[in-house]
Amino acid sequence: GESVGLHLPTLSVQEGDNSIINCAYSNSASDYFIWYKQESGKGPQFIIDIRSNMDKRQGQRVTVLLNKTVKHLSLQIAATQPGDSAVYFCAEMNTGGFKTIFGAGTRLFVKA
Amino acid sequence: GAGVSQTPSNKVTEKGKYVELRCDPISGHTALYWYRQSLGQGPEFLIYFQGTGAADDSGLPNDRFFAVRPEGSVSTLKIQRTERGDSAVYLCASSQAGGGSPLHFGNGTRLTVT
Repeated sequence: GESVGLHLPTLSVQEGDNSIINCAYSNSASDYFIWYKQESGKGPQFIIDIRSNMDKRQGQRVTVLLNKTVKHLSLQIAATQPGDSAVYFCAEMNTGGFKTIFGAGTRLFVKA
Repeated sequence: GAGVSQTPSNKVTEKGKYVELRCDPISGHTALYWYRQSLGQGPEFLIYFQGTGAADDSGLPNDRFFAVRPEGSVSTLKIQRTERGDSAVYLCASSQAGGGSPLHFGNGTRLTVT
């Protein structure tokens, strides 16, 4: 069968616009969520995290929103820059264990 | 300080050969993880160490894969009788305490089995 992983969802935005990347997580027992950025040839890089007792957390130009009711996570990037072009992964963890599970990723293209 | 270091960065081997991939975690990080990433996909969990012991090896695909961390620092992922389907980027990550801490990744070893 076709491997859907070969065709990453893609988001294309204009430089200076805001970006919103969405993610549906799978395990209702997950209580810690992380966004990672991965550039070509590099390992994933931590961006921001949020625990299940929160629904919003802000960093520098980034905001993560968590909706536990529908198991949805989003990453908002303000004033997107060319350097933000990368693949973004959401990840979930049940802190009772130690395994971090990654989603399929979204490729962000920033047009100058 | 230095980040997670993985060597080699690239490894090409013939089908059936044995390979070792090395990971140097961030100093002081007790938790160490191995992941495998195929093209266009997210990292897939292989194994987790807390100190010297493998606390969770449920992601290892079969008994050709084995990992060690004898002194609680450097780890080696070993693959026996490599197959073409083993071709992927193997990522190592470390964290300060395991649960509830973000992972710090190395840049991976790209393994190609011909």
